[in-house]
Amino acid sequence: GENVEQHPSTLSVQEGDSAVIKCTYSDSASNYFPWYKQELGKGPQLIIDIRSNVGEKKDQRIAVTLNKTAKHFSLHITETQPEDSAVYFCAATPPEGNQFYFGTGTSLTVIP
Amino acid sequence: EAQVTQNPRYLITVTGKKLTVTCSQNMNHEYMSWYRQDPGLGLRQIYYSMNVEVTDKGDVPEGYKVSRKEKRNFPLILESPSPNQTSLYFCASSLSRGGDTQYFGPGTRLTVL
Repeated sequence: GENVEQHPSTLSVQEGDSAVIKCTYSDSASNYFPWYKQELGKGPQLIIDIRSNVGEKKDQRIAVTLNKTAKHFSLHITETQPEDSAVYFCAATPPEGNQFYFGTGTSLTVIP
Repeated sequence: EAQVTQNPRYLITVTGKKLTVTCSQNMNHEYMSWYRQDPGLGLRQIYYSMNVEVTDKGDVPEGYKVSRKEKRNFPLILESPSPNQTSLYFCASSLSRGGDTQYFGPGTRLTVL
């Protein structure tokens, strides 16, 4: 099956700086790549996603880029705020769309 | 309010005592799934269901059972829990198969002594 690796496992940034989280995947057929944010004591929540026919997607301060050739995708958060502090998970889904493969998570801390 | 609910939220039990964690969604979603979350391992899929009476194994199905008799409910059954099943469990649902937004429940923290 698919193998998703995520780095770094922890990330601390100053408020207002940018944060970048990177994921690689192994199955070149995977075609859907969501990012989830998990706040303390809650379930993960989708923040942005990208499909394999798109190279970049942006939603206000959040952007995701996809490099299909290198099989990696990244989450970019600009102008970070304390409320961005959370655990972030990337995931990949094969074309059949029946299984989700998650990365191991990145704990982001934004220092005021 | 559209949501996925899980019960119980916290459970402490002993080895071998059968238990069921319930999951229910009110969004008429076809796809439902169970995950376990462990430190350093992220979220791993246990079982998923594409529709009523259709279930399949995820990456870590050993020691778990599921059923999907109704569209809205997808219970997770541990027939003989063991300490290595101590974990944080999440149920999720989406409109159809992968490629749709998954909505997660609040989680069930299970401790098996």
